[in-house]
Amino acid sequence: GDSVTQMEGPVTLSEEAFLTINCTYTATGYPSLFWYVQYPGEGLQLLLKATKADDKGSNKGFEATYRKETTSFHLEKGSVQVSDSAVYFCALDQTGANNLFFGTGTRLTVIP
Amino acid sequence: GAVVSQHPSWVICKSGTSVKIECRSLDFQATTMFWYRQFPKQSLMLMATSNEGSKATYEQGVEKDKFLINHASLTLSTLTVTSAHPEDSSFYICSAQDGTHNEQFFGPGTRLTVL
Repeated sequence: GDSVTQMEGPVTLSEEAFLTINCTYTATGYPSLFWYVQYPGEGLQLLLKATKADDKGSNKGFEATYRKETTSFHLEKGSVQVSDSAVYFCALDQTGANNLFFGTGTRLTVIP
Repeated sequence: GAVVSQHPSWVICKSGTSVKIECRSLDFQATTMFWYRQFPKQSLMLMATSNEGSKATYEQGVEKDKFLINHASLTLSTLTVTSAHPEDSSFYICSAQDGTHNEQFFGPGTRLTVL
């Protein structure tokens, strides 16, 4: 079945450090891939997405590239800020029917 | 825009009682709402999908008689955990989708603890 594996946290970085959160997936077809972010006390928000191989999703300085050959969708940001502290979830939608499969989430803490 | 609220944000109840959790779309009409549960250090797992005015579709392994879902209006869905037991303790999250955008907007979640 479909599944998403993302690196376990928590991740603690200093401000302006480079961020990578790994995400790999298992799916039989060609899913759409997503990164969601959950700030403290709020609901999950869509951060970025990619719908086909080699697509790059980007938003707020975050990027992720859909790599079919490695079944990966790693999240990166060149210089993190304290305000990026949150939990990040990788997810896939196999059917296009908005049936999302989530990873376990990675908590990021950025310290000044 | 696209705000989804949940109430309560946390609840503690005794074993055997029922608990109702509300999910509201505050500034849009939600034709579809989704209910998830999340155990500590695990993924969000989809429990059921509900469309306004019709019965919910439950995922395999989810007891529909235990987790009652009502989506009576375009802005409100409720999840009732009936005869709750300690193993039902979890974080329950709802999301809502309008009819024109293929994106789910998530509520902040409800933490249920059954003693």
